[in-house]
Amino acid sequence: GAGVSQSPRYKVTKRGQDVTLRCDPISSHATLYWYQQALGQGPEFLTYFNYEAQPDKSGLPSDRFSAERPEGSISTLTIQRTEQRDSAMYRCASSLSGGLNEQFFGPGTRLTVL
Amino acid sequence: SQQGEEDPQALSIQEGENATMNCSYKTSINNLQWYRQNSGRGLVHLILIRSNEREKHSGRLRVTLDTSKKSSSLLITASRAADTASYFCATDAAGNDMRFGAGTRLTVKP
Repeated sequence: GAGVSQSPRYKVTKRGQDVTLRCDPISSHATLYWYQQALGQGPEFLTYFNYEAQPDKSGLPSDRFSAERPEGSISTLTIQRTEQRDSAMYRCASSLSGGLNEQFFGPGTRLTVL
Repeated sequence: SQQGEEDPQALSIQEGENATMNCSYKTSINNLQWYRQNSGRGLVHLILIRSNEREKHSGRLRVTLDTSKKSSSLLITASRAADTASYFCATDAAGNDMRFGAGTRLTVKP
């Protein structure tokens, strides 16, 4: 596609519910990143994929967070049993490959946990 | 297209020296951020400076912002071997995706 897209753009959920966020990267990009961005802060790294492999998930804040990219393209980020502190912007980015390649970010999903 | 462009592309210094990296951008911004990326990892956020700020400090990091010149600099003082990484600036303008440039690869020799 022309850019990185994410859906939904906004998600409001109640505490304890599960949510799944979707990222559709630029089609030629091998590497996909997930970030969590609190209001007024820079994005914090969560995890990334090289195609379907997930070399690093050390940034996931707890085992309630998981991500998949089963076919090496679209990725989902799932948060189970959401808590209010999970409220944030969740950004996905993709790049041709890792390292110094420019990252292109999607518009983000604004998650609000009530 | 790129918004932030860092220079130099590569910088090699001795441990203990200061490292200065520069970033230029093209359009008006809300804030500018610097990130670090160790090999094989995602970006780690270092510091954010808002468009109405001119200078900001965080530990050994000092960031300046000149909105009239559309430029920013990142200074790392008393560098350490562990500072070896790639450094990126990123700009966040309303309605636009945040984008990073190609980065500056910093090597600090012990």
